[in-house]
Amino acid sequence: GENVEQHPSTLSVQEGDSAVIKCTYSDSASNYFPWYKQELGKRPQLIIDIRSNVGEKKDQRIAVTLNKTAKHFSLHITETQPEDSAVYFCAASPPYSGGYQKVTFGTGTKLQVIP
Amino acid sequence: DVKVTQSSRYLVKRTGEKVFLECVQDMDHENMFWYRQDPGLGLRLIYFSYDVKMKEKGDIPEGYSVSREKKERFSLILESASTNQTSMYLCASIPSRGSGNTIYFGEGSWLTVV
Repeated sequence: GENVEQHPSTLSVQEGDSAVIKCTYSDSASNYFPWYKQELGKRPQLIIDIRSNVGEKKDQRIAVTLNKTAKHFSLHITETQPEDSAVYFCAASPPYSGGYQKVTFGTGTKLQVIP
Repeated sequence: DVKVTQSSRYLVKRTGEKVFLECVQDMDHENMFWYRQDPGLGLRLIYFSYDVKMKEKGDIPEGYSVSREKKERFSLILESASTNQTSMYLCASIPSRGSGNTIYFGEGSWLTVV
């Protein structure tokens, strides 16, 4: 089955700096890679996703890059703000093949933005 | 706006008790999931269901069972709670059986077993 590794487990940055979180996956068939943000005491929510036919996707201060050959993808947050402080999860999902859509999550990165 | 509601946010149960965690979604989603979240271990899939009365084991089903009698409701059952089941439990749903769908999570249920 799919295995997703996520690094680092914790990350502290100064406000205004950039933050990068990296994930690797094992199943070359995976073609959908979402990122979820979980604020303290709240539910995880999708912030950005990328599909395997795209190498990069950007949404304001957030971007995700995908390297299919190396089987890794990264989340980039620029101009970090205190409200970016949260736990971030990457995930990988293979093509649907009947039954259900299997999603494998990384172990999470706790990002702290220091004012 | 999709709503996934977990009825119990915080529970304290004794070892050996039977525990029910209820989850309801209001958007007619076919797929529903129960995850367990522990620090450093991420989100681990316990059970999922892709239709009424259908259930499949996830990665860590031992000590748990589930019930899906109605499409909107998916229950997680701890037959005999143990201290190693102290954790945060997240219910989730996905709209359809296709690929690349957003997962919608509930607010989570914090369970402490003493």
